[in-house]
Amino acid sequence: EDQVTQSPEALRLQEGESSSLNCSYTVSGLRGLFWYRQDPGKGPEFLFTLYSAGEEKEKERLKATLTKKESFLHITAPKPEDSATYLCAVRGQGGSEKLVFGKGTKLTVNP
Amino acid sequence: NAGVTQTPKFRVLKTGQSMTLLCAQDMNHEYMYWYRQDPGMGLRLIHYSVGEGTTAKGEVPDGYNVSRLKKQNFLLGLESAAPSQTSVYFCASSTGLLTEAFFGQGTRLTVV
Repeated sequence: EDQVTQSPEALRLQEGESSSLNCSYTVSGLRGLFWYRQDPGKGPEFLFTLYSAGEEKEKERLKATLTKKESFLHITAPKPEDSATYLCAVRGQGGSEKLVFGKGTKLTVNP
Repeated sequence: NAGVTQTPKFRVLKTGQSMTLLCAQDMNHEYMYWYRQDPGMGLRLIHYSVGEGTTAKGEVPDGYNVSRLKKQNFLLGLESAAPSQTSVYFCASSTGLLTEAFFGQGTRLTVV
């Protein structure tokens, strides 16, 4: 069964303090790995899709990378507005309609 | 461009009551999904649709029914609400399986 584990569960950073969030996955034939951002009381907002090991994507202060077993979301010089819960999800070959989500990492960036 | 709109945003039900959650998207997406989000758990797929007139079960379908009579609308029904169905419900839509899903703002449902 497809599984996604995100770590840490919560992370507190000072403004400007770079760090990384981890998403480890077990899936039979990865078809896509997705990163979303979720603000309190709102629906998830799409950030990136990664399809194969070695792929990287960037958007402002965020950079997502992918290996055969995990993905990292690197946050460079974060700002308070980057505070949110970051969700990782995978879609495998089996049960392809199901996007399996991790529990998320709650990021707090203090000014 | 409204994207994905869910109605209502909040609802309190008594055990045994029924209700329907409405999801509307204006992006002409083929795929639509209903998820529930509970504390300490990831988003879990309830039902989904791959096109108008189609529906299929997801990971946690028991106690729910869905209908997709029009391409832009996806309805989630609770026939006899139970406290275990207290959750935040999200609707999403996408153009395909490997494309990003766009989520609505969520419906917070409490069953007492």
